[in-house]
Amino acid sequence: QSALTQPASVSGSPGQSITISCTGTSSDVGGYKYVSWYQQHPGKAPKVMIYDVSNRPSGVSDRFSGSKSGNTASLTISGLQAEDEADYYCSSYTSSRTWVFGGGTKLTVL
Amino acid sequence: QVQVVESGGGVVQPGGSLRLSCAASGFTFSSYGIHWVRQAPGKGLEWVAFIRSDGSNQLYADSVKGRFTISRDNSKYTLYLQMNSLRTEDTALYYCAKGSGFFLDYWGQGTLVTVSS
Repeated sequence: QSALTQPASVSGSPGQSITISCTGTSSDVGGYKYVSWYQQHPGKAPKVMIYDVSNRPSGVSDRFSGSKSGNTASLTISGLQAEDEADYYCSSYTSSRTWVFGGGTKLTVL
Repeated sequence: QVQVVESGGGVVQPGGSLRLSCAASGFTFSSYGIHWVRQAPGKGLEWVAFIRSDGSNQLYADSVKGRFTISRDNSKYTLYLQMNSLRTEDTALYYCAKGSGFFLDYWGQGTLVTVSS
């Protein structure tokens, strides 16, 4: 149950687009369409932003999008805004019938 | 509205036990699986355990298997996490989160567990 691999940090200016990667194996990310992404602001509970690789829950801005290729999933945020500054975590269901999270990525809006 | 509220955290010595609770409201509790996820201070999220809607199946992370037990009482809309043989590395904020398919759609604010002598 090794954690999924995410970059420790990414940054971008307001209005720009950024992409956060999430790399796993064929036993998790590559094997299932069950990748989700969570946003966590300091001192707050996580909030789901993307589920099942590319679906957005009701109420989440369409600036957030998800995709997957092989063992790597990606979260793209377009039109960056100050309120997007947060930690982002990917998660996947696994062949062991468990779930695994990524190590998290700190997004800084410059 | 959907709410899950954790309680039961506190300070416990290594080797000790603690039981966490998660009170749910705003949805049909017996229809959904529920997860426990933890976050050590300044660290990332770690999935801990899951229980199916009817309690028939429990799944655990290797790090807690054999020490933690997840259970639920659907009549009380409450989820539990019995934690035994606690270690210093179990120190974390423990979140309860409602499952929806294969993702976690509603999270509580967490309850803090500190394992220290």
